[in-house]
Amino acid sequence: EVQLVESGGGLVQPGGSLKLSCAASGVTFSGAAIHWVRQASGKGLEWVGRMRSKFNNYATAYASSVSGRFTISRDDSKNTAYLQMNSLKTEDTAVYYCTATGADDFDYWGQGTLVTVSS
Amino acid sequence: EIVLTQSPDTLSLSPGERATLSCRASQSVTSSFLAWYQQKPGQAPRLLIYGASSRATGIPDRFSGSGSGTDFTLTISRLEPEDFAVYYCQYCGSSLWTFGQGTKVEIK
Repeated sequence: EVQLVESGGGLVQPGGSLKLSCAASGVTFSGAAIHWVRQASGKGLEWVGRMRSKFNNYATAYASSVSGRFTISRDDSKNTAYLQMNSLKTEDTAVYYCTATGADDFDYWGQGTLVTVSS
Repeated sequence: EIVLTQSPDTLSLSPGERATLSCRASQSVTSSFLAWYQQKPGQAPRLLIYGASSRATGIPDRFSGSGSGTDFTLTISRLEPEDFAVYYCQYCGSSLWTFGQGTKVEIK
């Protein structure tokens, strides 16, 4: 069974930092692209960014709303991806999902982790 | 940047009825990059359709996708009680993803 489990969410003050983890099991992680998607309470889905696989040189891309503040990384030996979030703003408050994607319907999501940015 | 606009925002229907959801792109997109997701409260999104018209593994055949260019449609032929949820279209381009704002299918 494929599982993605996010962790690291919590309460952080504006301007602070937080690092989320996404641990995968039951899936060939190294060949997948990893995306992060967030969802504010009662709102729609917002793409945050992605890191491609080693076969695509681990290329990254980010939404303009987080570019320069958020960084995605991965450790394929640990089947784990990360989202480093710096200079957090109140509008970054959301549930953060990691997804592993590949060809066709290779598409797996974690259950999400809540990040709250508040003073 | 491609913007996806879904309509309607809310669809009120009864079980057994047909649901037709629309997704319009601000510019022409490659069909292979258009997907549909279903999301229920408290759950992660679930892939229904990829490549505009291909059903994901395990998705019932009452779900179908169609369209090309800028106009795409998700059709649920006969609504089952478990189909009442929010549906998102998604552009999964090579550089970035974009989601529509969602269509809520609610019980009438």
